[in-house]
Amino acid sequence: SQTIHQWPATLVQPVGSPLSLECTVEGTSNPNLYWYRQAAGRGLQLLFYSVGIGQISSEVPQNLSASRPQDRQFILSSKKLLLSDSGFYLCACFFGGAGELFFGEGSRLTVL
Amino acid sequence: GQQLNQSPQSMFIQEGEDVSMNCTSSSIFNTWLWYKQDPGEGPVLLIALYKAGELTSNGRLTAQFGITRKDSFLNISASIPSDVGIYFCAGQVVSSGSARQLTFGSGTQLTVLP
Repeated sequence: SQTIHQWPATLVQPVGSPLSLECTVEGTSNPNLYWYRQAAGRGLQLLFYSVGIGQISSEVPQNLSASRPQDRQFILSSKKLLLSDSGFYLCACFFGGAGELFFGEGSRLTVL
Repeated sequence: GQQLNQSPQSMFIQEGEDVSMNCTSSSIFNTWLWYKQDPGEGPVLLIALYKAGELTSNGRLTAQFGITRKDSFLNISASIPSDVGIYFCAGQVVSSGSARQLTFGSGTQLTVLP
């Protein structure tokens, strides 16, 4: 079956600490993968997308980076978190040939 | 870049009432998608539309792909408490050789009053 797993589900980190959020997908190969951020429970902001291993495109210059070490693994990182990095981070993937984007369960990051 | 205008931003309705929300764009899309997001969870796909003029239903939900390909609406009939959440529209332009990307509306927050 096709699934998207994100972890951790929630994270509370101090300002200046590093970050690593992980996303893995199952039931597909060579997927297009995406990281979105959602602030205050509203709009979805595209942060990064990847069309293949080692291929990362950034939509918004910021304090975050992404990596794709394996075909079905997408990682969101930061070396030093800012307060403004707080939010709900969503990993997403297109499954199959249809134009339907599916989301993971999300990771809630609070930076204090 | 492409932008989607989604309205209304929020709605307060009585249980049992019908709901309508829509999205308009300055650009043409090949695909329209509608999502619902419950608090603390990722958005869940409700309906996908692939052809201009297409009208698709999923239970009490009905969505249409506008003829001009620049708009779409979502209707919810006979609302119930579990319809509460944020509804997002999304449009996609499919172009060969590039990564698929969706443009999202800003969301409609739906509250259903008992």
